Amino acid sequence: AQSVAQPEDQVNVAEGNPLTVKCTYSVSGNPYLFWYVQYPNRGLQFLLKYITGDNLVKGSYGFEAEFNKSQTSFHLKKPSALVSDSALYFCAVRDSDRDDKIIFGKGTRLHILP
Amino acid sequence: DAEITQSPRHKITETGRQVTLACHQTWNHNNMFWYRQDLGHGLRLIHYSYGVQDTNKGEVSDGYSVSRSNTEDLPLTLESAASSQTSVYFCASSLGGTAKDEQFFGPGTRLTVL
Repeated sequence: AQSVAQPEDQVNVAEGNPLTVKCTYSVSGNPYLFWYVQYPNRGLQFLLKYITGDNLVKGSYGFEAEFNKSQTSFHLKKPSALVSDSALYFCAVRDSDRDDKIIFGKGTRLHILP
Repeated sequence: DAEITQSPRHKITETGRQVTLACHQTWNHNNMFWYRQDLGHGLRLIHYSYGVQDTNKGEVSDGYSVSRSNTEDLPLTLESAASSQTSVYFCASSLGGTAKDEQFFGPGTRLTVL
């Protein structure tokens, strides 16, 4: 069965510092991986995805994520955090070789401290 | 611009009543999904549809039903509302035909069952 884990419920980062939000996954086949962001009282917004090819994926708002097959990870990163990046972040995975639904992690709340 | 809308945005109802939450998308997407979001659980899939007249159960489908009579709409019905169904409900859509597609989310409906 496929699964995704976000080991940190909350991450605190000072404004201007680099940030990382962690995600690990488990699928039997090749993964399709996604990151979404949720601002207060809003629906989820798509940030970026890994399908195939370059392990470093660039997305919206200056975010990027690195796919690491050996560590089964897809960590979200940004070189310099902004206060406006404070939000709830969800990692999601789908097994490309199976007709399964996308599975979301439980979310990581990111606090950027001014 | 294409969008996905949900109504109502807030709903208070009583135990035992039937409640219908509306979801309408103008993306012309084949796939539509209903999720509930609860603290500590992240997003959980309730029902989904891959096209007109197609509906499928997700991981938490008990007490819920959906119907898909056209491409644009996937209403979610709570047959007899229970306090355990107090939650925030999100509708989403994706293009369909491939597992690579990201989902687009509505703004959510906050449902309180008293």
